[in-house]
Order: sequence, then structure tokens, then C-alpha cells
Amino acid sequence: DGGITQSPKYLFRKEGQNVTLSCEQNLNHDAMYWYRQDPGQGLRLIYYSQIVNDFQKGDIAEGYSVSREKKESFPLTVTSAQKNPTAFYLCASSMIRGEVEAFFGQGTRLTVV
Amino acid sequence: AQSVTQLDSHVSVSEGTPVLLRCNYSSSYSPSLFWYVQHPNKGLQLLLKYTSAATLVKGINGFEAEFKKSETSFHLTKPSAHMSDAAEYFCVVTRTGGDKLIFGTGTRLQVFP
Repeated sequence: DGGITQSPKYLFRKEGQNVTLSCEQNLNHDAMYWYRQDPGQGLRLIYYSQIVNDFQKGDIAEGYSVSREKKESFPLTVTSAQKNPTAFYLCASSMIRGEVEAFFGQGTRLTVV
Repeated sequence: AQSVTQLDSHVSVSEGTPVLLRCNYSSSYSPSLFWYVQHPNKGLQLLLKYTSAATLVKGINGFEAEFKKSETSFHLTKPSAHMSDAAEYFCVVTRTGGDKLIFGTGTRLQVFP
């Protein structure tokens, strides 16, 4: 089955730790995205990438880092510089030409303990 | 520049009555428009999309939306609400031909028996 997979579903982080959220897609999509969702605030774009080895900051990139070494993978690292990381994180992918709708993973809920 | 505004943060309807979720967009380019649905703690699922073909778009679960360029609107409708329609709905705009996705802040739909 083609799709986009996020792992883990739940993640707990101690203060001062970096954690990495995984996102993998087998849809052969060019573009991949990371969004953060907080209650009542909709989705906010953290980073996006339209091609391997290239990515752009979104609206709330501070305290986050990404890499795009392979077309299928777009991991997100939440660094200790992110002061309020507790949130629901969604990864998405899409084509950049033609059928451009995004497909979403099931999300990772990150909690600081 | 592109933006999208969802005019209602909450909508409540009785089961069996019509649903109207409003979305206005702004785009300097020819837009592609989407509606997504999100059930609690889940990823987003595509309901329907407009990509410059027919202006009345039919989606899954009986939903449809009409692209009105003169009104810069893309409202989501359903003739008869079902309890299972209770969820968060997001209107999304992007540039036809590829660009990052711009999300509205979401509309929470409640359906009462």
C-alpha cells in the first residue's frame, strides 16, 4: 500500500533533549512538509522540501531542524532550543506538478515531561 | 501572496440538516483549493479538490464545494449531516502548478442528534 508513515505515534521528551520524528513516504512525491498543530490554532508550517537536499523554513522554524537526504524521508528534529515543543506534529507529502493535493501521516504527539 | 480564511471557528447542526462551512481565499495566481477533514488525534483526509476544472466539485461522504471566482469563495456543503461528520475541517489553497500549502485555521463541526 502506498502511503505516508509517521513514527512514533507518541513521544515523550525530557527538558533539554533533542528528539527526532520520522516521516517516510512511498508515493514518489517530490514535496514533503512538517506541520505543528496546537489546539485552536490550526496547522502551522515548520519546514518544507520540494527536492532532495533542499528545504525551506516555514512560519515557525525556530527550534527545529530537518534533512532531506532521500526522496522518501523527511525527519524532523525538535531541538532543546524549542521552548514549547508539546504539540501534535503532522507530516505530509505531495507532487509539485499536476495532482498537488497533500497526503498526511497519522501524526506524532510529542509531550515534554 | 496567498491566504485562506475560514469564516467560522465552530458550526453546530442537527443530524439530518444541511451543513455549510465557509471559506474565502486570496491568491495572486490561479489557485488550487482543497477541503480536508480531521478526526481527533488523526491525520488529515482529503475530502475534495478544485484544480481549475469543473467549478462544482463533489467529494467523499456526500460533501461538495463550489468554486466562485467572483466571490473568492470555496464553501463546503452537505445536504444532510450525519453524526460521523463531526470533526475539524480545513480549507487549503495552493498555486496550481505547485507551491506550499496554505491552511485555514479550521472549522469544528458539531452534529447533535
